This record gives sequence, structure tokens and C-alpha cells, in this order.
Amino acid sequence: GENVEQHPSTLSVQEGDSAVIKCTYSDSASNYFPWYKQELGKRPQLIIDIRSNVGEKKDQRIAVTLNKTAKHFSLHITETQPEDSAVYFCAASKGGSYIPTFGRGTSLIVHP
Amino acid sequence: GAVVSQHPSWVICKSGTSVKIECRSLDFQATTMFWYRQFPKQSLMLMATSNEGSKATYEQGVEKDKFLINHASLTLSTLTVTSAHPEDSSFYICSAEGRGEKLFFGSGTQLSVL
Repeated sequence: GENVEQHPSTLSVQEGDSAVIKCTYSDSASNYFPWYKQELGKRPQLIIDIRSNVGEKKDQRIAVTLNKTAKHFSLHITETQPEDSAVYFCAASKGGSYIPTFGRGTSLIVHP
Repeated sequence: GAVVSQHPSWVICKSGTSVKIECRSLDFQATTMFWYRQFPKQSLMLMATSNEGSKATYEQGVEKDKFLINHASLTLSTLTVTSAHPEDSSFYICSAEGRGEKLFFGSGTQLSVL
């Protein structure tokens, strides 16, 4: 089955800095890669996603890149703010029956 | 956007009792819903896939007789933790697939078994 590795497990940055979270996946048939943000005690919220026919996608301060050959994808957050502090999860899915495999999560801490 | 409602948000029960958690898709139909368990500071562990009108598919290591799942309609799935014990204490969260294969999560249920 699919295996998703996510790094780092914890990321601490100063407000205004950029943050990058990386994930790798094992199943080359995976074609959908969402990212979720989960604040403490709350539900995961989809923040951005990318499909395998696209190499990069951007939404304001958030961007995701995908390298199908290397089977890795990354989340980039620019100009970080304290409210960006949360746990971020990547996931990989083959679509269709849609049972995504989640990474272990990255705890992002943005210091004011 | 797609909204998934989950109730209760927290529950405290005595050991040996059963607890039912509801997951509803409010503005879309979900033929498939997922149930996860999440320990503090850990990732989402898929417990089972709930399919409307058929039996749930459980992940390896998850006791189907302990975690009963019923997907009675296209908008409702329930998870019943039977004969709960302290080790069942956890954050349980459901999700449903909305339009475009996007996954939307319920708000989660914090279960504490005394």
C-alpha cells in the first residue's frame, strides 16, 4: 500500500520567515495530494491540493509543488504569521475510491 | 462549501458503557465516509471506511465488534464504541468525500472513558 513520509515533525520559524514542509510517497499511481491544517482540538481543514497533472499551485501565501518523478511534494508558506501555527498534514490518494494516506504531521510554530 | 457535522464534540462515560458518535454531511450526499482515531500530537489513523447501504471496511487491527459502524443514509454514519474501556479514550473524527474528491472533516469527538 501507499506510504507517506513527512518531514520535519516540528518546525519553528520567526514571523515573516518562510516555512517548507516536505512529503514523499511510494505509490506512483497516487494522483491527488491534499494538505490539511489542524489547529489544536479542531478539525483538519483542507488548505490546498494538487493533482498529478500539475507541477505547482499557489494560493496567496501558500504554494504546493509536486515532483512526480521523485515522488515528493512540498508545502511552502511565505511571510508566516502566528496564526499559521498548527499541525499540517500531507496526504496522497489514487482518487476514485479515495482512501488517502496521511503523513505523520508537522507541528509549525511561528514566533511573533 | 461542504459541511460535515459531528456530535457529540466531547463525551465522558463509565467503563463498560457504549457511546454513539454521529457524523452527518449537511449539504451534500456522501456514499463513503471515513472514521479516524487521533492520539495527541499524532496523525490520523484510519479505522474504517463506511459505505452507505453496505458493511463497513475495517483497517487491520481494528475490532469491528467493538467499533460498530452504521451508514444508514447518504448523509449519516454512526460509530458506536461498545463496552468502552479507558484505553478507548481518544479523539475520534469522521470525514466525507465531497465534490472533486475533496475530503471534509467533522469537528471530532473527544472520548474519555473513566
